[in-house]
Amino acid sequence: GAVVSQHPSWVICKSGTSVKIECRSLDFQATTMFWYRQFPKQSLMLMATSNEGSKATYEQGVEKDKFLINHASLTLSTLTVTSAHPEDSSFYICSARDFGTSSSSYEQYFGPGTRLTVT
Amino acid sequence: ILNVEQSPQSLHVQEGDSTNFTCSFPSSNFYALHWYRWETAKSPEALFVMTLNGDEKKKGRISATLNTKEGYSYLYIKGSQPEDSATYLCASNQAGTALIFGKGTTLSVSS
Repeated sequence: GAVVSQHPSWVICKSGTSVKIECRSLDFQATTMFWYRQFPKQSLMLMATSNEGSKATYEQGVEKDKFLINHASLTLSTLTVTSAHPEDSSFYICSARDFGTSSSSYEQYFGPGTRLTVT
Repeated sequence: ILNVEQSPQSLHVQEGDSTNFTCSFPSSNFYALHWYRWETAKSPEALFVMTLNGDEKKKGRISATLNTKEGYSYLYIKGSQPEDSATYLCASNQAGTALIFGKGTTLSVSS
């Protein structure tokens, strides 16, 4: 199946600093990528939908100025957590949709996630 | 707001047991139902995507059914093996909307 990588897999940063997380589709082109966040014992919550070459669409309650998303190419989307605070500590995971064939248009392929800890 | 519920939250079975989990979702404006298998430190792996009422899909010892009229899906594992230990996620969406995930069912299979 399609492979999505995510980097870094974990990061610890100090409060007030910014952290960038990369999401790459390795063997397919992803016109759409999704960013999710998961708090302990909770479900994956969609933060934003990222479309190549256009501005991301953020879900209600997600601050676009705090979580900057860039999807400059068909294989790379980045999420930057700006001025991180301890409450931003969470598990962030991306997924990508492959529109290469009509049969796969329903499917989303996930990266392995990034554990962010803000001290 | 679309709400996807999964039960049980976790379960523990012995090797060789068969088991099943439930996913419930709102049936109105249904578009697709996804099952994922998520092992620790790995990417969630897509198991099934189902769209039609009555769909049944099978992959090895794992199978799934879909009832869109009443809004539920079952995932079955026959003859559980230790390597089946993982969290099984269910997600659903309406047409034109993003996937909404349940909290998952964590399966532990002991040998």
